[in-house]
Amino acid sequence: SQQGEEDPQALSIQEGENATMNCSYKTSINNLQWYRQNSGRGLVHLILIRSNEREKHSGRLRVTLDTSKKSSSLLITASRAADTASYFCATDASTANSKLTFGKGITLSVRP
Amino acid sequence: DSGVTQTPKHLITATGQRVTLRCSPRSGDLSVYWYQQSLDQGLQFLIQYYNGEERAKGNILERFSAQQFPDLHSELNLSSLELGDSALYFCASSAGDRGRSPLHFGNGTRLTVT
Repeated sequence: SQQGEEDPQALSIQEGENATMNCSYKTSINNLQWYRQNSGRGLVHLILIRSNEREKHSGRLRVTLDTSKKSSSLLITASRAADTASYFCATDASTANSKLTFGKGITLSVRP
Repeated sequence: DSGVTQTPKHLITATGQRVTLRCSPRSGDLSVYWYQQSLDQGLQFLIQYYNGEERAKGNILERFSAQQFPDLHSELNLSSLELGDSALYFCASSAGDRGRSPLHFGNGTRLTVT
């Protein structure tokens, strides 16, 4: 079963605009991670945010985490056509035998 | 380049057959994870090994098995294949044995069962 659920399922924006993607989860977590997948390729790790962190930045990426709402958002600023990909959130639950669990992903299309 | 190598890239086989997928983790990583990705099920965790030992099991069918060898490479064996087993199979590796550190993914093996 999926722990994280991304929203929206698909997003289409113009180059230069910002893209905001959301992830909600159900149980307590140690950390939440965002990954990117280009068509037919392996996932690439973007950013990891721990449960005691509220915001993290990496280049044009900004991730926020609200543990009280069990939600996270990924913001890509000044998007480029090359940002077109699927984006996944993954959660590391706070259980003894936890494993990283992925959502179904968001398809982002950036129009040039 | 993630440093994780998966072979073969593509595999086409018939129902009822058996195949072996191979994964070499990133240098220094002790954990290997196997995931199955299909359009309708998304990315499903199958199994994890850490330094040769099974660490966690997910939605892995009894027809599927895996192992991690002393040199840390891993193999996923799929037997009595069915049409529904057609999917992308990913291997990922990480330094630790829990989900506390990022996973590094290979480019996958695309399995087509006809």
